[in-house]
Amino acid sequence: DSGVTQTPKHLITATGQRVTLRCSPRSGDLSVYWYQQSLDQGLQFLIQYYNGEERAKGNILERFSAQQFPDLHSELNLSSLELGDSALYFCASSVLASDTQYFGPGTRLTVL
Amino acid sequence: AQRVTQPEKLLSVFKGAPVELKCNYSYSGSPELFWYVQYSRQRLQLLLRHISRESIKGFTADLNKGETSFHLKKPFAQEEDSAMYYCALSGWGRSGQNFVFGPGTRLSVLP
Repeated sequence: DSGVTQTPKHLITATGQRVTLRCSPRSGDLSVYWYQQSLDQGLQFLIQYYNGEERAKGNILERFSAQQFPDLHSELNLSSLELGDSALYFCASSVLASDTQYFGPGTRLTVL
Repeated sequence: AQRVTQPEKLLSVFKGAPVELKCNYSYSGSPELFWYVQYSRQRLQLLLRHISRESIKGFTADLNKGETSFHLKKPFAQEEDSAMYYCALSGWGRSGQNFVFGPGTRLSVLP
């Protein structure tokens, strides 16, 4: 599959814990975006990286951080987890910094 | 503040009927607008963007800056059009570029 991949598919953890979500962009794409989709807030843009550098920041909490590595994969770190962090987390990628975004299948995070 | 609204959570139409999915936005500059679609058990994917002015799967959308709208239209709905549709905006704010999605409209095309 040459599309955007995300691991894991599902993650169940407890409040106060820390998790890492991983995203591999499409081959050739330099930009990675992270979104959070919850029932009450819809799809919220968190952060964008372009070629390893942070390019845009949305509604990302201070407890969350992300990075893009030299091989262009990205990780989203969520710490001090709260019940309200339970959501679907999507990654998307694009060739350029402002371009059509291709979405991954998402990681479903459940915080108990 | 940048905002995208989609007033209908659910829209049901019969096959062959025209369909219009409404989208309104608030943005002080010139936004870039998109429609994304998510079919059952599939990923979110781009349907169309206003700058390309393409017609995809029979859908069109016209940016009306006066009414700040970007409604999605199709003259004859097909059952395979049943899906979740999201209107989205890309614009610039104080903290850089931002991507704002509407809450989505679930389109159900009845046989």
